[in-house]
Amino acid sequence: DTGVSQNPRHKITKRGQNVTFRCDPISEHNRLYWYRQTLGQGPEFLTYFQNEAQLEKSRLLSDRFSAERPKGSFSTLEIQRTEQGDSAMYLCASSPGDLGRGETQYFGPGTRLLVL
Amino acid sequence: AQSVSQHNHHVILSEAASLELGCNYSYGGTVNLFWYVQYPGQHLQLLLKYFSGDPLVKGIKGFEAEFIKSKFSFNLRKPSVQWSDTAEYFCAVNPQAAGNKLTFGGGTRVLVKP
Repeated sequence: DTGVSQNPRHKITKRGQNVTFRCDPISEHNRLYWYRQTLGQGPEFLTYFQNEAQLEKSRLLSDRFSAERPKGSFSTLEIQRTEQGDSAMYLCASSPGDLGRGETQYFGPGTRLLVL
Repeated sequence: AQSVSQHNHHVILSEAASLELGCNYSYGGTVNLFWYVQYPGQHLQLLLKYFSGDPLVKGIKGFEAEFIKSKFSFNLRKPSVQWSDTAEYFCAVNPQAAGNKLTFGGGTRVLVKP
């Protein structure tokens, strides 16, 4: 399977703990995106990388959230001092180019986070 | 606030019925438009997209959508649904001025009864 992969698929943590999620994009896709989806809602944009550069961050991404893509391949999303409101599905997507040029974002299966 | 609206949260219909899901957005400039589908237990998959050209776009599995610029709409249609079309459907908009982020609607859960 050469799609977007995410690990872990599920994470249960206690409030106040730190968690880190990993996303491996489709090979050669230089754009990588993180979204968050809460129950009954559509995905919401969090941040976007082009290669290793983080080009955009949503206001949803508080200072407890940090994302990296150090070598322009896989990415990690870390949440520090988790809160119950962080419980959600965290989705990663990748694309080979800009949406404005007709490209498509391909989504991974997501990491479901539950903060107790 | 700029947004994407999907009017129906839940739709229940029988096999062979026609399906139309509404999607409206509030962005004034040039937009790219997408419909994604999420089958039970699976990840989001692209059904179809509008980038430019013919406003009537055809996607996979017999789906099509029509971009009506004057109505800020991108409604999804399928003339005859199957039980396997049971899924959640998401409309997404990429305003070209907004770079590469997608703004999604809240989704419509479709249940097709056999």
